Amino acid sequence: RKEVEQDPGPFNVPEGATVAFNCTYSNSASQSFFWYRQDCRKEPKLLMSVYSSGNEDGRFTAQLNRASQYISLLIRDSKLSDSATYLCVVNGSPNSGYALNFGKGTSLLVTP
Amino acid sequence: NAGVTQTPKFQVLKTGQSMTLQCAQDMNHNSMYWYRQDPGMGLRLIYYSASEGTTDKGEVPNGYNVSRLNKREFSLRLESAAPSQTSVYFCASSEGQFSYGYTFGSGTRLTVV
Repeated sequence: RKEVEQDPGPFNVPEGATVAFNCTYSNSASQSFFWYRQDCRKEPKLLMSVYSSGNEDGRFTAQLNRASQYISLLIRDSKLSDSATYLCVVNGSPNSGYALNFGKGTSLLVTP
Repeated sequence: NAGVTQTPKFQVLKTGQSMTLQCAQDMNHNSMYWYRQDPGMGLRLIYYSASEGTTDKGEVPNGYNVSRLNKREFSLRLESAAPSQTSVYFCASSEGQFSYGYTFGSGTRLTVV
């Protein structure tokens, strides 16, 4: 089983829509959770950390459910500039120095 | 505000050739990482260096070696390139191993023919 699993999409939504991405992770001992954004042919960039109590950054809301080992990202009022691939990221085991494990990403296309 | 700098940005190698990918960070980060990204596979960890003077294997280390030259620099070497090593390589750094997000370099697109 992959460490981090995401629906690859693509998600095609109109401008202004609300879209949600989900992710599951396999290591119940994981402590660090993130969402990254990756534009086409560019490097991944940190979008936001995910905290146990849930957190919000402008139009973006992240939720963590430790019991279900499930992470979500909600984007409200989608903009054309939100079009990108969103990577769910979870820290790995001590054997890998807690290095981050990346999901394969969910592709979002926001259309006019 | 350079962050993480990778060189070269593009490279074409013939099978069997060797090369070194360079990575340097100016954020005084302790930990550095090399990942490769292939279509449909996501990012996979090749090697990492938790701190200056240490290096360890990641998920896909075969065919690669690394050197943590100093706190700033972490290089990745392909001794005898194979077509299966055609990929985009990303270097990343973080303040520490745990609970910190990574800053990535802009990547090296390597093609082995």
